[in-house]
Amino acid sequence: EDQVTQSPEALRLQEGESSSLNCSYTVSGLRGLFWYRQDPGKGPEFLFTLYSAGEEKEKERLKATLTKKESFLHITAPKPEDSATYLCAVRYTGANSKLTFGKGITLSVRP
Amino acid sequence: DGGITQSPKYLFRKEGQNVTLSCEQNLNHDAMYWYRQDPGQGLRLIYYSQIVNDFQKGDIAEGYSVSREKKESFPLTVTSAQKNPTAFYLCASSSGQADQPQHFGDGTRLSIL
Repeated sequence: EDQVTQSPEALRLQEGESSSLNCSYTVSGLRGLFWYRQDPGKGPEFLFTLYSAGEEKEKERLKATLTKKESFLHITAPKPEDSATYLCAVRYTGANSKLTFGKGITLSVRP
Repeated sequence: DGGITQSPKYLFRKEGQNVTLSCEQNLNHDAMYWYRQDPGQGLRLIYYSQIVNDFQKGDIAEGYSVSREKKESFPLTVTSAQKNPTAFYLCASSSGQADQPQHFGDGTRLSIL
């Protein structure tokens, strides 16, 4: 069964303390890996799409990378406003446009 | 502004009652989706539609029904057969192409009275 696993479940950082969030997947035939940010009571907001191993995308303090088995979301010098739940989703070959989501990582950044 | 509008934001259901959640998009997207989100769980796909007048069951379709009569609209009905309907419901849309992301509305929170 195709699965997406995110770790850790929760992460608490001090403002300015850089770290990484992990998303590992077991799907074969990856068509795309998607990162989203979700604030409480809101819908997920699209951040990045990665398609092939070695690819990297950046946006402000966030940088997403992809290998053949996992993706990392690196957060450099985070601020309290980066506090949110970060979701990873995978689309695999033959799934049409369907996504398989991980359970998410709740990030809390203390000032 | 282009986007996805879900209504209502909060909804309460009585025992034995069917309720309908609205989802409208003005992004000219072909594909639309309904997800359920429970605490500590990932988003689970209820139904999806790749084109008007066609839709497919997702992973947890039992107790739910949908229609897709217009490109812009994809309402979800939570029937009385759904015994545990309390959850956060999210609607999404995409162009339908495999390399394009899904974009989400801000959800409807359904609770049982």
